[in-house]
Amino acid sequence: DAGVTQSPTHLIKTRGQQVTLRCSPISGHKSVSWYQQVLGQGPQFIFQYYEKEERGRGNFPDRFSARQFPNYSSELNVNALLLGDSALYLCASSSLSPGQGATGYTFGSGTRLTVV
Amino acid sequence: DAKTTQPPSMDCAEGRAANLPCNHSTISGNEYVYWYRQIHSQGPQYIIHGLKNNETNEMASLIITEDRKSSTLILPHATLRDTAVYYCIVRVAGSARQLTFGSGTQLTVLP
Repeated sequence: DAGVTQSPTHLIKTRGQQVTLRCSPISGHKSVSWYQQVLGQGPQFIFQYYEKEERGRGNFPDRFSARQFPNYSSELNVNALLLGDSALYLCASSSLSPGQGATGYTFGSGTRLTVV
Repeated sequence: DAKTTQPPSMDCAEGRAANLPCNHSTISGNEYVYWYRQIHSQGPQYIIHGLKNNETNEMASLIITEDRKSSTLILPHATLRDTAVYYCIVRVAGSARQLTFGSGTQLTVLP
């Protein structure tokens, strides 16, 4: 079975541009979460979606948005890119509904975004 | 969720046990201790979790002190492939939805 798939793997954008990152969860998983990992730091929570509804949002500006589709795949959008948005963006999927514990999270390998 | 404190880096000889400490002195009674690791260029991987009893699985053992203010992740026979950043996370299972990562411990297994 395929794991969590993220695309693209690498991306270079210019300041002010917009970017869309994509995530396909493990088959059967209905929950998708997004994390941002800046170099040298641990991942920071951005969003969680379950059954196509937003169930959690981290401390990120409104330039960050996300959605989940009927097939449970998800997109993360970032508008008006800043140099500080350069990071590894991780997607995690889970078969558990929010609040059922942490063991069910499977992470993808991430999208490396570089803003120049 | 309670905060955790981990050493920034540790070395371990291949084949020896790697003991990774985590301090969580403000842990609440209903908070679990979780361990994840992140191998370079990959997403975090779940290792083990526990409430107050020691736990063991095929990857590692988790030792939680009686007062639950600290814990140790033990990799019994470390291999080069265990080189990674190890994260200790404390959270209430069933309430918080997201994982709160700290900076973790960079474990380097030396040949």
